[in-house]
Amino acid sequence: DVKVTQSSRYLVKRTGEKVFLECVQDMDHENMFWYRQDPGLGLRLIYFSYDVKMKEKGDIPEGYSVSREKKERFSLILESASTNQTSMYLCASSSGRRAGKKDTQYFGPGTRLTVL
Amino acid sequence: TQLLEQSPQFLSIQEGENLTVYCNSSSVFSSLQWYRQEPGEGPVLLVTVVTGGEVKKLKRLTFQFGDARKDSSLHITAAQPGDTGLYLCAGADDYKLSFGAGTTVTVRA
Repeated sequence: DVKVTQSSRYLVKRTGEKVFLECVQDMDHENMFWYRQDPGLGLRLIYFSYDVKMKEKGDIPEGYSVSREKKERFSLILESASTNQTSMYLCASSSGRRAGKKDTQYFGPGTRLTVL
Repeated sequence: TQLLEQSPQFLSIQEGENLTVYCNSSSVFSSLQWYRQEPGEGPVLLVTVVTGGEVKKLKRLTFQFGDARKDSSLHITAAQPGDTGLYLCAGADDYKLSFGAGTTVTVRA
């Protein structure tokens, strides 16, 4: 079974702090994604990566950065956390090109981040 | 602005009833996926539909992809409390997914 793990289930940080969210997948997937999920808005893509050291902006990258130094690990960084970044953060991974149109994203359990 | 519009936003029904969730878009997608998410967990893929007009069945769940590949529906027959959850549709475009806002389904015993 594919497993996507996230470093924390719950996190509370203060405004202005630097926050690291870690995600690890164990299926040798090429693609990894970071989303945030807010009520009534669904999942919105922050950043994604299709290879080590490669990254592309999603729909809402402002205030975030990412790092992918190893294939299995994708980190989301909030350089200076703000209250409007309070949200559920979901990481996902997928096979990528070799799966074609049937590419499936596998999600971690999420990190609920509260910024005070 | 949501690329994919889901309706209704909330649905509460009695066990044994049928329900349909709709997913509409003005964009054409290479494929469309349906996920279900339970509280405290990430979404889990239910089905991928690729061909316009395609119908897929998964036990009591029936998924339809519109002929123009812009819309889809999920129909649950004889719903059970275990079907309770957030149902999300997602349109695929070059390995990225665009999600609808979701439909929260509650099935009362």
